[in-house]
Amino acid sequence: AQSVTQPDIHITVSEGASLELRCNYSYGATPYLFWYVQSPGQGLQLLLKYFSGDTLVQGIKGFEAEFKRSQSSFNLRKPSVHWSDAAEYFCAVGTYSGAGSYQLTFGKGTKLSVIP
Amino acid sequence: DVKVTQSSRYLVKRTGEKVFLECVQDMDHENMFWYRQDPGLGLRLIYFSYDVKMKEKGDIPEGYSVSREKKERFSLILESASTNQTSMYLCASRPLRRNQPQHFGDGTRLSIL
Repeated sequence: AQSVTQPDIHITVSEGASLELRCNYSYGATPYLFWYVQSPGQGLQLLLKYFSGDTLVQGIKGFEAEFKRSQSSFNLRKPSVHWSDAAEYFCAVGTYSGAGSYQLTFGKGTKLSVIP
Repeated sequence: DVKVTQSSRYLVKRTGEKVFLECVQDMDHENMFWYRQDPGLGLRLIYFSYDVKMKEKGDIPEGYSVSREKKERFSLILESASTNQTSMYLCASRPLRRNQPQHFGDGTRLSIL
């Protein structure tokens, strides 16, 4: 069965510092991979997605992620964090479920705090 | 922009009540999903629907049922609410065509007393 591991429950960075959030997945085939962000009391917003092709994916709000098949990883990065990036971040793997659709399996999330 | 609307942001119900959570999307998406979110557990899939009148169990369907009579609306039903169903519930939708992400609503925070 597929699974997603986000090793860091909580990360604190200073504003302007770089950021890397880790994500490892377990899935037998080529995965669909996603990063979502959730601000307090809100739903999930898609940051970026990987389906195939270029392994370095650009997303919204200056985020990027790199798919590394050999390491089963899809880490999220941002070169300079802003205070408004404080939120919870979820990595997810999509697995084909038939009838042209896929299901998402989520990691447990990484909460990001930003120090001014 | 895709709009997924959940009818209530906050809901308080009593143990044993029948509870309906409603979700509507405005983009003619075939697939719709219900998740629950709990601290430390992330999001877990309850049920999903490929299309109208079609439904499939997710990872944690026990205690829940769903209804999809119209394409734009996907309802989650708690037949007899229990305190362990207190949670944040998130609805999502996506089109059937390949390589399209799921889009989420803002969630319903449900408390069962």
